[in-house]
Amino acid sequence: AQKVTQAQTEISVVEKEDVTLDCVYETRDTTYYLFWYKQPPSGELVFLIRRNSFDEQNEISGRYSWNFQKSTSSFNFTITASQVVDSAVYFCALSGPTDNFNKFYFGSGTKLNVKP
Amino acid sequence: GAGVSQSPRYKVAKRGQDVALRCDPISGHVSLFWYQQALGQGPEFLTYFQNEAQLDKSGLPSDRFFAERPEGSVSTLKIQRTQQEDSAVYLCASSLVSVGRGRIDTEAFFGQGTRLTVV
Repeated sequence: AQKVTQAQTEISVVEKEDVTLDCVYETRDTTYYLFWYKQPPSGELVFLIRRNSFDEQNEISGRYSWNFQKSTSSFNFTITASQVVDSAVYFCALSGPTDNFNKFYFGSGTKLNVKP
Repeated sequence: GAGVSQSPRYKVAKRGQDVALRCDPISGHVSLFWYQQALGQGPEFLTYFQNEAQLDKSGLPSDRFFAERPEGSVSTLKIQRTQQEDSAVYLCASSLVSVGRGRIDTEAFFGQGTRLTVV
């Protein structure tokens, strides 16, 4: 079965703190894609990153970084020096060949509150 | 337009009423997806179109849900005889090319969604 678990329902931090959002996934596929999306209060899902299962290199983009660990089936997301504008719900998602890559399986999301 | 556009943004329906939700994808995008997002949950897949062909409708929760994309651009999600459990945000997404055939060439762009409340 395809499943994504985001155990942290809500996290509150003070601006400039670092914060890590956890994502654990389950899949029977050997090839798959992992994603992170941001959902601000306006409602649309904003694409942040896509990671191929064959590429375990960690990635950094500005204040954002992602740690992909195949051994623990985790794809965690860290925001360094958080800002108030980072406040949103963050979703981790999985896509694989079982469904011809046409479905995203989303976690239940982590709501991040960054306070000034 | 610049992004995926959905209308209406908000819809209140009386139980038993039929509703139609519209999605205008980004021009030229081949793939179109509908997702249902219940309060406090992640989006759940409903259906997928490649151009006008509905290739996967396995996520539609019942035969009251129907989606179409007759000309391969605008799509409509119709819910007949709405029930309270249909209350959710309905998200539409589009992507430039097919995401099948073992690879993904581009990310999916999501609209702001339609919040449906059935009373």
